[in-house]
Amino acid sequence: AQKVTQAQTEISVVEKEDVTLDCVYETRDTTYYLFWYKQPPSGELVFLIRRNSFDEQNEISGRYSWNFQKSTSSFNFTITASQVVDSAVYFCALSDPQGKTSYDKVIFGPGTSLSVIP
Amino acid sequence: GAVVSQHPSRVICKSGTSVKIECRSLDFQATTMFWYRQFPKQSLMLMATSNEGSKATYEQGVEKDKFLINHASLTLSTLTVTSAHPEDSSFYICSASTWDHMNTEAFFGQGTRLTVV
Repeated sequence: AQKVTQAQTEISVVEKEDVTLDCVYETRDTTYYLFWYKQPPSGELVFLIRRNSFDEQNEISGRYSWNFQKSTSSFNFTITASQVVDSAVYFCALSDPQGKTSYDKVIFGPGTSLSVIP
Repeated sequence: GAVVSQHPSRVICKSGTSVKIECRSLDFQATTMFWYRQFPKQSLMLMATSNEGSKATYEQGVEKDKFLINHASLTLSTLTVTSAHPEDSSFYICSASTWDHMNTEAFFGQGTRLTVV
């Protein structure tokens, strides 16, 4: 069965520090997708990234970067020079393929609550 | 990206009444939508998969008679919480997927915060 683990329940950093959020996943599928979502206090999910299982290239988007290591089943997320606005709950997620004719459902990790202190 | 609209964003209802939550895909057709529930400080848990024109598939432990799902068109799925009780108070989020041959992505609604008093 698919599973996503985010070992860090809560993290606090001081503004401008770098922070890495860990994500480890389990799946038997060879084709899958990994996601990161941000959930601010308003509750709405903000899509950050989607990565397919065949693409292990790391990605950088502004202050955000992602490190996908298939060998360790990890998909870690780093925020560089953190800001107060980064304070939110971050979810790592894994798609659960239902088959070629069905759409995927997404399995969420437990989330990491990040607090950036001014 | 595609837009999924959820309505209402907040609802307060009395115990014993029913509440309907709508999920619409605004600029694409979604044959499949998903309903999630999130209790405070917890993760999103999938409740059911809604398929247009057929019965929904419920996850283990989710009462199908209590959480009625209707997916009557390619752009609308509804979740009705019947005979709501305080323990049903939660944040409900829907998502819809589009199928691209090479990629798949789920688009999420804004969520509905249900409070049962």
